[in-house]
Order: sequence, then C-alpha cells, then structure tokens
Amino acid sequence: EPEVTQTPSHQVTQMGQEVILRCVPISNHLYFYWYRQILGQKVEFLVSFYNNEISEKSEIFDDQFSVERPDGSNFTLKIRSTKLEDSAMYFCASSSPGPLNTEAFFGQGTRLTVV
Amino acid sequence: AQSVTQLGSHVSVSEGALVLLRCNYSSSVPPYLFWYVQYPNQGLQLLLKYTTGATLVKGINGFEAEFKKSETSFHLTKPSAHMSDAAEYFCAVSPMNRDDKIIFGKGTRLHILP
Repeated sequence: EPEVTQTPSHQVTQMGQEVILRCVPISNHLYFYWYRQILGQKVEFLVSFYNNEISEKSEIFDDQFSVERPDGSNFTLKIRSTKLEDSAMYFCASSSPGPLNTEAFFGQGTRLTVV
Repeated sequence: AQSVTQLGSHVSVSEGALVLLRCNYSSSVPPYLFWYVQYPNQGLQLLLKYTTGATLVKGINGFEAEFKKSETSFHLTKPSAHMSDAAEYFCAVSPMNRDDKIIFGKGTRLHILP
C-alpha cells in the first residue's frame, strides 16, 4: 500500500540552527501539506503546495519557514532559524485532486526538538 | 472559513460500551468531513470520510459517523469499545472540491476502561 514517508523520525537541533524536514509523498498525488502538532495540542495546518507553488499558508508559516519540491519526489520543510517554540511533531501529507479521491494521507511524522 | 469543534478533550468508556465522540463544524461551503485516529507515537490514520451521498459513513475498525447538515454535526460512534480503540481522535473538515487545506479539531483522547 502506498504511503507517505518522512525522515528523520526524530531531530534534535540547537536554537538558531536551520533544519530541513523531508517527506516523500505518494507518487501520483498532486497536493502536499505540512502540519504540526505541539505536544498536547491540536494538529495545526501550516502550508499546502500545488503545482510547484504554495496554495495556502497559515499565520504560523512565517518567513522562517519555506517549502520546496526539489526533484519531483521529495517535499521539504525548512525552518531557517529554529526557536524553542518550533518544537513539535511535524506531519507531511499528500492527496490527489477530485471530490471522490479527497483524502490526505499522512506520514508518521518527524519529532523536532529544539534545545 | 471553516472550523471544527470537538466536545470533550477526554472521553472514557468501559470496554464493550458505546463510543460517542462529538464533532460540530462550521463551513461557508459544502464540506467534506473526516475522522482521523492517532495511536500513541504514530501518525494520523484516516478512519472514515464523508464527501457526498449517503450520510451514514462506515469506516475501519467498526467506527461510523453520520453527517447531519441540520445540526452541522459529524459524530463518531462505535457500538462496542475495545481496548485497542484507546487513541486520540481528530475530526476534520475541508471545502468540497478543494484539497488545499484540512482543518482539524483539537482532538478527543479516548480512554477505554477495563
């Protein structure tokens, strides 16, 4: 069964450092997303990406964040200068367009710990 | 704009009892509705979804949910709880025919009592 894969599963970084979270979406999907879940809180939408550009982003997704689809298979989230409050589980998801196929498939997540 | 409200951040039921997790939504356009489950230390897994057609939707693991437009609700039920159902459950909504954003509720942690 196709799945979304994320690497690494856990990343520890020092405050102020740049991190890149990697995702391989399902191959025939066209929409890609990043969500985050701060410990004990709800899953929050960060950004969606379609046709090689951001289609929507939340207030959380400020200038410190960027996304990229560098090679047609990977989908990355970069945090330029991490802050303590960026510590969270980050989920990548992908979906295919069309009403009958609407379902976002989520990866297992990357737990980011900023120290 | 869309939003989801899940009543009760924690729900406890006895093994074998009915599970009822409540979800109300608001949406300015016809919605698609979802329930996702998150087991400890795992990612999000789709339980079931409503897009169009039959308002009673059956999902995996014996769960089902009914879309009630008049009540703007999409409550999740299971007739008989099992210990393995202990998890966090998220109700979510997205605009019909648009895949570019899914809004999640805050989640309800389901505890199963022996």
